[in-house]
Amino acid sequence: QKEVEQDPGPLSVPEGAIVSLNCTYSNSAFQYFMWYRQYSRKGPELLMYTYSSGNKEDGRFTAQVDKSSKYISLFIRDSQPSDSATYLCAMEETSYDKVIFGPGTSLSVIP
Amino acid sequence: DGGITQSPKYLFRKEGQNVTLSCEQNLNHDAMYWYRQDPGQGLRLIYYSQIVNDFQKGDIAEGYSVSREKKESFPLTVTSAQKNPTAFYLCASRKTELNTEAFFGQGTRLTVV
Repeated sequence: QKEVEQDPGPLSVPEGAIVSLNCTYSNSAFQYFMWYRQYSRKGPELLMYTYSSGNKEDGRFTAQVDKSSKYISLFIRDSQPSDSATYLCAMEETSYDKVIFGPGTSLSVIP
Repeated sequence: DGGITQSPKYLFRKEGQNVTLSCEQNLNHDAMYWYRQDPGQGLRLIYYSQIVNDFQKGDIAEGYSVSREKKESFPLTVTSAQKNPTAFYLCASRKTELNTEAFFGQGTRLTVV
């Protein structure tokens, strides 16, 4: 079993839809959770960083962490074509430790 | 402008050759990382360093080597021992403080010809 699992997609939604992206993990020692967005042939960029169970909101993005279920989610409201990218979840045991990434989910938002 | 720079963007290597990928940052970050990205597998950690003159193996270090002689620089050498080196390589850096993000370079695409 991989440490971090993520549905690879591709996921295709119409513009304006609510998108739900999910990751599960097996290592209960993970304490810090991140979501990165990666456009084609570019380096990933950080969207959200959380370190506790519950929700964190930033604009159209909401990150949700459920440590008891070892499950994290990223919700995108009012999705835009510019949101079309690969979304990578990532996590680590302690801050500034080695970061473990999921395989990524490819998202396409259709105008 | 501050940032993290990888070079070259594209690199071609003949079988049996060693090649070195450059990663430079002027963000004054202590920690630096090298990842390999293959389709459908996400980012896999090759090596990381949290301080000058020290580094640790990641999950797929075999066939790779690194050095950290300067805080700003963390070059990765892909040796001939790496059997399947064709991939997209990403370098990242971050502060060694709580709740800090890793900044990524734009990547180097290595192809064996």
